[in-house]
Amino acid sequence: EVQLVESGGGLVQPGGSLRLSCAASGFTFSSYDMHWVRQATGKGLEWVSAIGTAGDTYYPGSVKGRFTISRENAKNSLYLQMNSLRAGDTAVYYCARGTYYYDSSGYSPFIDYWGQGTLVTVSS
Amino acid sequence: QSVLTQPPSASGTPGQRVTISCSGSSSNIGSNTVNWYQQLPGTAPKLLIYSNNQRPSGVPDRFSGSKSGTSASLAISGLQSEDEADYYCAAWDDSHVVFGGGTKLTVL
Repeated sequence: EVQLVESGGGLVQPGGSLRLSCAASGFTFSSYDMHWVRQATGKGLEWVSAIGTAGDTYYPGSVKGRFTISRENAKNSLYLQMNSLRAGDTAVYYCARGTYYYDSSGYSPFIDYWGQGTLVTVSS
Repeated sequence: QSVLTQPPSASGTPGQRVTISCSGSSSNIGSNTVNWYQQLPGTAPKLLIYSNNQRPSGVPDRFSGSKSGTSASLAISGLQSEDEADYYCAAWDDSHVVFGGGTKLTVL
């Protein structure tokens, strides 16, 4: 059974830093892309970052230069280092697994499993 | 402001068929497949449809997806009370993932 368990959330002051962790189990972690997706209270989903199996990383403009995604395959763990945090970063942060569907048209990427999330609150 | 556009709300009565639209552009839906997620209150999102119209095992065939050009749709037939949830579309856009703003489905 695929399990993703986030930890590391909490209250942090504006301008501060926080490191989130995600412990993965039930699948070969090193063979999958991984993502972080966040959701502010009462709002929609916002993609935060992704890391490929080769360690290639991707970010939207809203967090690029402030957030760093990394992985440690030997520990089946995903991380998100968040610096220069702002009130707008307050949200539940989900760890999620990425995979692909292959057919005659080519390959289609999608996120298939999600953790339960960890709450990050940026406030003074 | 979400990259993909969804109606904020939808509703239907038990047994009815409901559709939720998702509109994008040539850089996302127009050139990549669409995925749909269901989020029940207080829980994490769950994959409902991938690659436009594929259902993961365990998802009832009452749920179906389609795509045409730069738009996609999620259809739910035989609406049930447990279908009351938020629904999100998603697609890739130049190595980034973009989501719709979500549609809150109410079963009347």
